Amino acid sequence: GAVVSQHPSRVICKSGTSVKIECRSLDFQATTMFWYRQFPKKSLMLMATSNEGSKATYEQGVEKDKFLINHASLTLSTLTVTSAHPEDSSFYICSARVSRADEKLFFGSGTQLSVL
Amino acid sequence: GQNIDQPTEMTATEGAIVQINCTYQTSGFNGLFWYQQHAGEAPTFLSYNVLDGLEEKGRFSSFLSRSKGYSYLLLKELQMKDSASYLCAVRPGSGTYKYIFGTGTRLKVLA
Repeated sequence: GAVVSQHPSRVICKSGTSVKIECRSLDFQATTMFWYRQFPKKSLMLMATSNEGSKATYEQGVEKDKFLINHASLTLSTLTVTSAHPEDSSFYICSARVSRADEKLFFGSGTQLSVL
Repeated sequence: GQNIDQPTEMTATEGAIVQINCTYQTSGFNGLFWYQQHAGEAPTFLSYNVLDGLEEKGRFSSFLSRSKGYSYLLLKELQMKDSASYLCAVRPGSGTYKYIFGTGTRLKVLA
């Protein structure tokens, strides 16, 4: 199956700093990628839809200025958590579809963010 | 609004059969997915249903009834490695690539 690579897998940062998470589609081009957030023992919460070459579409309640998304190429989307605070600590996962003909999502391995 | 419901936890015995139910109420319907997620890992795709009926894939089967807004995932010959969370997800609209996930069902398989 298709491979989605996400880095870093784990990051610990101080409160007030910014953290960038990268999501790459390794063997296919992804015009659309999705960013999810997951709290312990909870399901995936869609944060935003990242569109190559255009602005991301954010879900209601997600702060655009807090979670910056850049989808500069067909194989790379980045999520930057700006001025991180302890409440931003969470598991962040990106995903992508291979093509319009293939409905399933392929997920990155996730990033565990801990803000001290 | 969009709502997908699953039982929070289930327990079953190794070698047994377990059925995980999912009910959904969404603004539209363009497919239902089941994913498996082990703790601390990314979800992996299990099945996809867009038409009513049963889809079988090895030990796993998934059923869909669109008129009832209902699906189930059936796991046969349970193994210890099947202990994981099982996520039900729906793609509501043809004009969007959004996928809405349920809260997930944590399955514990006991020896």
